Amino acid sequence: DTEVTQTPKHLVMGMTNKKSLKCEQHMGHRAMYWYKQKAKKPPELMFVYSYEKLSINESVPSRFSPECPNSSLLNLHLHALQPEDSALYLCASSQDWTGTYNEQFFGPGTRLTVL
Amino acid sequence: ILNVEQSPQSLHVQEGDSTNFTCSFPSSNFYALHWYRWETAKSPEALFVMTLNGDEKKKGRISATLNTKEGYSYLYIKGSQPEDSATYLCAGGGRDDKIIFGKGTRLHILP
Repeated sequence: DTEVTQTPKHLVMGMTNKKSLKCEQHMGHRAMYWYKQKAKKPPELMFVYSYEKLSINESVPSRFSPECPNSSLLNLHLHALQPEDSALYLCASSQDWTGTYNEQFFGPGTRLTVL
Repeated sequence: ILNVEQSPQSLHVQEGDSTNFTCSFPSSNFYALHWYRWETAKSPEALFVMTLNGDEKKKGRISATLNTKEGYSYLYIKGSQPEDSATYLCAGGGRDDKIIFGKGTRLHILP
């Protein structure tokens, strides 16, 4: 199974809501990533988990809270988001966190709209 | 790696023609160069990861070259087919174990 799955595909939420994005892989990869992509811009790294520990936080606002409950699962908890947080959120995984050398396997993304 | 540039932004190519586009990156602090293909409504898919100056990689009709001394990589598509229509992203990786994406080249294959 070489697939990274993400749920939900689409999410609409208000600024006072709490919601979560989920990402799953069963390739035995030990590094997992969250990226944010806005229209006509490249994907921007948000977080990297390596061996279930947070390795990189790219100065992401605390209204985004990542969680890695086990080596196959990555969550992104959302709370008190702003309309400018509307974007495509991509999850990826790689064999390990020498991320530079290893190809990353991406999920299809969650399209988030904040009203 | 701070800045990865891709050109052109968009490209229209007749079916059957060959094409190529460019990714440029700072040659200092370079560790690896990734190419991904991203079709609409699908996941980005890795094409190549290259690390050494002079590297050439091939996958079917698609190939890529790497020049780390001058800081560029070319992606070539031979005999373009409709299924090649996609956005092609390159990403540079440096010492900090992160990859930075360029904005992509949007390729349209005309029938």
